[in-house]
Amino acid sequence: DARVTQTPRHKVTEMGQEVTMRCQPILGHNTVFWYRQTMMQGLELLAYFRNRAPLDDSGMPKDRFSAEMPDATLATLKIQPSEPRDSAVYFCASGFMLGGQGGNTEAFFGQGTRLTVV
Amino acid sequence: AQSVTQPDIHITVSEGASLELRCNYSYGATPYLFWYVQSPGQGLQLLLKYFSGDTLVQGIKGFEAEFKRSQSSFNLRKPSVHWSDAAEYFCAVAGRDDKIIFGKGTRLHILP
Repeated sequence: DARVTQTPRHKVTEMGQEVTMRCQPILGHNTVFWYRQTMMQGLELLAYFRNRAPLDDSGMPKDRFSAEMPDATLATLKIQPSEPRDSAVYFCASGFMLGGQGGNTEAFFGQGTRLTVV
Repeated sequence: AQSVTQPDIHITVSEGASLELRCNYSYGATPYLFWYVQSPGQGLQLLLKYFSGDTLVQGIKGFEAEFKRSQSSFNLRKPSVHWSDAAEYFCAVAGRDDKIIFGKGTRLHILP
C-alpha cells in the first residue's frame, strides 16, 4: 500500500531549537509539496519540488525555513531557530506530475507532523 | 496567481439530507480543480478532480462536483449525507505548473 510517510508525527520543542521534519514520498513520484496548516491560515503552500529541484518556495519564510531533497526518497523541512508562531501541522504530499500535461496533477498526502513550539 | 474561496466555514445538515459545498476559484486559464476531505488528525484524501471534458465529475463516497466556467465555481454535492461524512472539505486549484492552492476549508457537521 503506497503512501507518503512523514516523521515525526508529533514534535514538541523549545523556542530557538532546530526542528527537522522528514518526508518519504511515494516511490516513483517526481513532485513533492510542503504545506503548513493552521486554524487561522488554513493550508498554506510553503514549497514544492520537481525531480528534487525547487520550483517555488515563495511561501516559506527564508530567514528560518529551508527545504531540501537530498535524494528522491527523502524530503526535509527545517526550521532554525523555531518560534512559537511556527506551531502548526506540516503536511508533505507527493505526485507524479508532468507540468500540466496529461492531467496528472494529483497530490497524495502524508498524515502530517504536528509541531508545537513552547 | 491562482486562488480559491470557500465562502462557508461551517455547514450543518441532517443525516439523509442533500449537501452542496461552495467553491469559487480565480485563475486566468482553464484550471485543474480538486476536492479533498480531511478527517480529524488525518491527512487529506482526494474526493474528485476536474481536468477537462465533462463538467460534471463523479468522485468517491458518492460525491460529485460541477465545473461552471461562467461562474468560476466548482461546487461539491452529495444527494444524501451519512454521519461518516462529517469532516473538513477543501477545494483546490492548480495551473499548468501543478502548483496546488487550497481554500480555507468548510467543516461539515451532521445532525442525527
